[in-house]
Amino acid sequence: GAVVSQHPSWVICKSGTSVKIECRSLDFQATTMFWYRQFPKQSLMLMATSNEGSKATYEQGVEKDKFLINHASLTLSTLTVTSAHPEDSSFYICSAPPSMVNTEAFFGQGTRLTVV
Amino acid sequence: GESVGLHLPTLSVQEGDNSIINCAYSNSASDYFIWYKQESGKGPQFIIDIRSNMDKRQGQRVTVLLNKTVKHLSLQIAATQPGDSAVYFCAETLGGGYNKLIFGAGTRLAVHP
Repeated sequence: GAVVSQHPSWVICKSGTSVKIECRSLDFQATTMFWYRQFPKQSLMLMATSNEGSKATYEQGVEKDKFLINHASLTLSTLTVTSAHPEDSSFYICSAPPSMVNTEAFFGQGTRLTVV
Repeated sequence: GESVGLHLPTLSVQEGDNSIINCAYSNSASDYFIWYKQESGKGPQFIIDIRSNMDKRQGQRVTVLLNKTVKHLSLQIAATQPGDSAVYFCAETLGGGYNKLIFGAGTRLAVHP
């Protein structure tokens, strides 16, 4: 089946620095990727939709300048958390949308971000 | 029985019993629904899906029921096993599954031997 690979699986960074998370589709082309954030013991909250070749679409309340999304190719979407703060510590997950072939949304393994 | 944790309700069952996990979805126009299992530190894992033109769908040891009248989904797990212990989320979407998924609050399933 289709596979979405997310990297890194965990990262610790200092306050004020930026962190980039990569999401790759390994055996299929994804014109769209979704980025979710999940705080402990909570559900997944959609942050933004990444679109290949165009600007990302952000959900209400998500800061565009803080969470930079780039979809440079049909197999790579990146999320950069800029000027990270401890409250940005969370589990970030990317996914490809259900497709005509698979009817499943394929999720990356997730990235645990800890800002100290 | 069920108890409310910090954010996630917990369903505790004995190994071998059947489990029923419930979910209320928000958008009456949603036409595609998926149940996911999430283990600690991992991304969601697809369990079973159902389209709005169906009321019931069965998989291996799992059954999903859809009640559009009250916007309710349930996941039934037969002969629950310790490996079923995880957090379960329902998700809804429009457009037959090509669009963004909106996740429900989630339920933690704890299976006791």
